[in-house]
Order: sequence, then C-alpha cells, then structure tokens
Amino acid sequence: NAGVTQTPKFRVLKTGQSMTLLCAQDMNHEYMYWYRQDPGMGLRLIHYSVGEGTTAKGEVPDGYNVSRLKKQNFLLGLESAAPSQTSVYFCASSYGAVQETQYFGPGTRLLVL
Amino acid sequence: RKEVEQDPGPFNVPEGATVAFNCTYSNSASQSFFWYRQDCRKEPKLLMSVYSSGNEDGRFTAQLNRASQYISLLIRDSKLSDSATYLCVVTGWGKLQFGAGTQVVVTP
Repeated sequence: NAGVTQTPKFRVLKTGQSMTLLCAQDMNHEYMYWYRQDPGMGLRLIHYSVGEGTTAKGEVPDGYNVSRLKKQNFLLGLESAAPSQTSVYFCASSYGAVQETQYFGPGTRLLVL
Repeated sequence: RKEVEQDPGPFNVPEGATVAFNCTYSNSASQSFFWYRQDCRKEPKLLMSVYSSGNEDGRFTAQLNRASQYISLLIRDSKLSDSATYLCVVTGWGKLQFGAGTQVVVTP
C-alpha cells in the first residue's frame, strides 16, 4: 500500500519552462490537495479537488493549473515557471472534507532558475 | 496578522524533560484543530487531533483554549526521536490553515 506518491522528487527548471507534477493515491480518497511550503511560512493551499473531474482554487492559485481526470491522480501544472515558484510542493489526500486527516506525499523540490 | 501563528523555536530540550508550546489562531469560528509532525525534509504526518476537553496520546497532551484562541502541545519524557517541527492546523469555514511550525530539538 503506497499511500500518496509524487513524481518527480526533485526538478530544476529555467524561467519560462513548463512542467507537470504528478500525485497518485491508492486509498480511494475523494479529496486531493496541492500545497507549497516555503521557509517561515505554513503550508499554503494552491488548488484542491473534491472528486474526480472537479477542481477548485486555493489560497495561492496564480501561475498553476490542475486536473483530476482520474480519482487516484491529481496533476499540478506550471505553464511558465518563475523563480517565485521555487518551493517544496506537497500533495495530500483525505477521505472527506477538511476536518479529516490528510495524508501527504513525500514532496517535490522545485528550483526555478 | 497570520491566521495561525506559532513560535518557530527552536525549543532545545534535554532528553527526558518536558516541553510545551502554543499555537494561536485568529478565526473565532474555527472548528477543528490538529497537530501534525514534520521531520526534516519529509512530509507532514498527523500527530493528534485536539478535542475541546483536551486529550492525551501517550507522552503527548493537547489542549484547546477557545476563550483565548490557542491550542497547546505538551511532550513529556522527551525522546531523541521527538526532534521535529510541529505544525498546528486549524479548520473553519471549509478552510484548513497551517501554522509555520515550531521546531523541537531534543538533546542527549
């Protein structure tokens, strides 16, 4: 039982390049989330999904897009990377709404030069 | 003002000692409260939920003070393995807010 997995673990991009981060969960959770974590700041919600085919904006959605074509997968896209997007990105999933336990993936470290 | 605030620490604690720290929140309508633990360069993991009457899980005790809008975490008989960053999490109005974390370093 893998839980929540993220691909890739680490990536270096040049400004303006695009990339997609993949999150997969095998717990049959309805809710999935993308966060970024920066030094001195709490985890900030980028986008989330309450079920297959649905997505919604979180606290810091600008510069990111997401898709949830399959229940087990949640993709985060950066169309034109900027140095401000250098961060650690965590995906999480939960069975139900925000008061439920969130299970996190191992994170993706992204450096934008 | 941040919605969820924590003392970043570090709290340097001798092995076997007790350490306690708080987390304040600004939204009086907050409904659920949690402590997550995050080891260095790892993902956060749920440590415990915080109930209105306070609750214990082994050496860990969590308290909620709604009047003063803070939650606390107390660790008794600290172990080296307790060294981590402890994240306070608060929910309300369908939102989940993370604090930036309190770092605890347990020393031999």
